[in-house]
Amino acid sequence: SAVISQKPSRDICQRGTSLTIQCQVDSQVTMMFWYRQQPGQSLTLIATANQGSEATYESGFVIDKFPISRPNLTFSTLTVSNMSPEDSSIYLCSVARGGAQETQYFGPGTRLLVL
Amino acid sequence: EDQVTQSPEALRLQEGESSSLNCSYTVSGLRGLFWYRQDPGKGPEFLFTLYSAGEEKEKERLKATLTKKESFLHITAPKPEDSATYLCAVQGGNTPLVFGKGTRLSVIA
Repeated sequence: SAVISQKPSRDICQRGTSLTIQCQVDSQVTMMFWYRQQPGQSLTLIATANQGSEATYESGFVIDKFPISRPNLTFSTLTVSNMSPEDSSIYLCSVARGGAQETQYFGPGTRLLVL
Repeated sequence: EDQVTQSPEALRLQEGESSSLNCSYTVSGLRGLFWYRQDPGKGPEFLFTLYSAGEEKEKERLKATLTKKESFLHITAPKPEDSATYLCAVQGGNTPLVFGKGTRLSVIA
């Protein structure tokens, strides 16, 4: 398993602003992912954070809206840009030690409310 | 397209009343089926990975089984602390992990 922390744990933001969420792992991991969990919905993968290169985004998610950084093997950030109330959600970081098909372990999540 | 359907959406049990949660899936080339537990305000906690039909795994009062079309999470003699949302996810081919919406379990003392 892995010990994963996220900052902030929750935030309330005004529309039009941006928020950067941090994800820190206690040891080096191969894969880091960012998910969104909207109320009553399943977890949806936003993107895979690649170390040293641009993130790989899933259909419906774009870099301008959700820029991601991964400067090393233990840390990643997700920015939610130009926020609207529809961005209110829980944002989760997950990691896998092996390849993309290994078991993923999740952080505690960041609860975001956009007014 | 990979799909996961979990049933029931919600389940209320008396303490000690055993039951099962269902996860039906369609996937191209199953690489793994995962069960997670999620408590309110927390991230999903990994429970089990199943890789092939016929496989079973157990942990305390939980047992997960897998067929070619579905997985069951059996809960034997549940306690109030087993109350949580249980999530099922599948990994197929080179596709991302696909989650179901979960089953919200309440165990009443």
